[in-house]
Amino acid sequence: ILNVEQSPQSLHVQEGDSTNFTCSFPSSNFYALHWYRWETAKSPEALFVMTLNGDEKKKGRISATLNTKEGYSYLYIKGSQPEDSATYLCARPNNYGQNFVFGPGTRLSVLP
Amino acid sequence: DTAVSQTPKYLVTQMGNDKSIKCEQNLGHDTMYWYKQDSKKFLKIMFSYNNKELIINETVPNRFSPKSPDKAHLNLHINSLELGDSAVYFCASSPYGSRGTDTQYFGPGTRLTVL
Repeated sequence: ILNVEQSPQSLHVQEGDSTNFTCSFPSSNFYALHWYRWETAKSPEALFVMTLNGDEKKKGRISATLNTKEGYSYLYIKGSQPEDSATYLCARPNNYGQNFVFGPGTRLSVLP
Repeated sequence: DTAVSQTPKYLVTQMGNDKSIKCEQNLGHDTMYWYKQDSKKFLKIMFSYNNKELIINETVPNRFSPKSPDKAHLNLHINSLELGDSAVYFCASSPYGSRGTDTQYFGPGTRLTVL
């Protein structure tokens, strides 16, 4: 069974702080690692898809890195804003490259 | 324009009833999925359909049956509803689906409450 883990489970930061959280996954049969942003009462929204070891992706103040050899990815948010408050999910396709296995998410709250 | 839409948004029903949730995508994608957000808030895959053919059924009870009249629609039928079926159900689609690099695009979710 493929398990995807995320830490911390939840995080409270002050507006303007920078923060990061972790996604851990089995490194065998790796296809890709996906990050999603999920606001309450909305649908998950894709942030990044990363495929190569050492990949770094950036979108505005959010960036992510990937280490496929040790099986982890970091998501960074620089200068957090209240609108960044959401649950951040990572997902790894299963060993057949088909359906996603999602992690439990990191719930971020940015306090004004 | 809503890319992936679901109806209804909320569904409240009695135990034992049969109900359906509809999903439509206007992205021209080949693959559609149903996920269940369980009590611990995990998103878990139930089904995926590629070009109207079921390609994955993740050991979901056979009371749940996906039906795809065409590749833009994937409806979820649930027979003999049980209390444990209460959850939020999400539909999603991806361009190809057989590649792990494809982004999945999610609908807004349907909150099902079984009384």
